Amino acid sequence: AQTVTQSQPEMSVQEAETVTLSCTYDTSENNYYLFWYKQPPSRQMILVIRQEAYKQQNATENRFSVNFQKAAKSFSLKISDSQLGDTAMYFCAFIAAGNMLTFGGGTRLMVKP
Amino acid sequence: DAGVIQSPRHEVTEMGQEVTLRCKPISGHDYLFWYRQTMMRGLELLIYFNNNVPIDDSGMPEDRFSAKMPNASFSTLKIQPSEPRDSAVYFCASSLGTLGNEKLFFGSGTQLSVL
Repeated sequence: AQTVTQSQPEMSVQEAETVTLSCTYDTSENNYYLFWYKQPPSRQMILVIRQEAYKQQNATENRFSVNFQKAAKSFSLKISDSQLGDTAMYFCAFIAAGNMLTFGGGTRLMVKP
Repeated sequence: DAGVIQSPRHEVTEMGQEVTLRCKPISGHDYLFWYRQTMMRGLELLIYFNNNVPIDDSGMPEDRFSAKMPNASFSTLKIQPSEPRDSAVYFCASSLGTLGNEKLFFGSGTQLSVL
């Protein structure tokens, strides 16, 4: 079975600064995908970034990047130049072939002006 | 607590049939959410309830979809009639707290295949 752990229930950062959200996972699979989702107050889940396990290069989407350490089973999200609109819940998620998406418990991020 | 419980884990049905997905939220949680996950659209919010009352169903794709929450410990998502494009994984989640401050707990999902 797969598990995903987000050890930081809450974090805060000053506007324009950089913040890193942690995520670790456990699996015996070799091929899988990792995701970070953002959930604003609307409750919609917005895909922030996706990483394929067979790719060594860390995924990047504008101000969002990941530090993917496959051997350590770590998948942290870095948000650069934090903006007030980044305030939300962030969920790390994992999926392997034939399995369903497994979510971490979430990290609440507050960006302060 | 056993967490959010969804059933069935897998459902295979034929086009035109009625499908009912079930969810038992964590005891004491006052918010319940239904999400649909597809590779094309990612995770979409379908509907959510607060204290058993539907608050926002704008994500429900069409009239073939309906959701109910007859009591605090049970919710259903029904598709009638089902179509192949409804094939997806459906997640239920629950939370406790005021808007924007709660932590979300997901069920394991129901994988629906409509043939």
